[in-house]
Amino acid sequence: QLVLTQPPSASASLGASVKLTCTLSRGHSSYAIAWHQQQPERGPRFLMKLYSDGSHSKGDGIPDRFSGSSSGAERYLTISSLQSEDEADYYCQTWATAIQVFGGGTKLTVL
Amino acid sequence: EVQLVESGGGLVQPGGSLRLSCAASGFTFSSYEMNWVRQAPGKGLEWVSSISSSVSTIYYADSVKGRFTISRDNAKNSLYLQMSSLRAEDAAIYFCARESSSNSYFDFWGQGTLVTVSS
Repeated sequence: QLVLTQPPSASASLGASVKLTCTLSRGHSSYAIAWHQQQPERGPRFLMKLYSDGSHSKGDGIPDRFSGSSSGAERYLTISSLQSEDEADYYCQTWATAIQVFGGGTKLTVL
Repeated sequence: EVQLVESGGGLVQPGGSLRLSCAASGFTFSSYEMNWVRQAPGKGLEWVSSISSSVSTIYYADSVKGRFTISRDNAKNSLYLQMSSLRAEDAAIYFCARESSSNSYFDFWGQGTLVTVSS
């Protein structure tokens, strides 16, 4: 079964960096994922598509502070030089025939 | 500029029906697969349904299969979700989302429309 697992929360200080994790279920470590940001009271926003080799393609207007990387079944989103507006929920997404799957989301708090 | 604007949400009684709409602009709507995703209050994102550009392929999450019907009108650049036999657990914000290419990720989202199911 295709499942994405995310820790429910993360925190980091203003100006620092944070690395968020999304883990693919057993047998699905080659899958690409997408990262989405959802600020409070807003619809989600696509950040990037992230491949198993760590290469990624970002959405229009996504700052260079956002980057992605991969290791095995783990997919990462790194946000550097944290700003207050980065405080949001972050979701990973993957897909297969007839199904779209989301992780449970990570709530990022900027201290 | 790509825009997706949902409408049609509201308060409905358990067992009732509601039809959501999503108006698309800024891109060639007929070339893209489209999806509905929902978010229950305080919860995460849950995929609901997808429809191919030509309407030839439609998929549903098990939680809504047999109760919800997705459709589209490419001439009107619009996506729809007909919801029937609504349950309390269907209460959520419903988002429409564009799929970047066939069987792939979502690259644009709407702002959502709220559905409340209560007597």
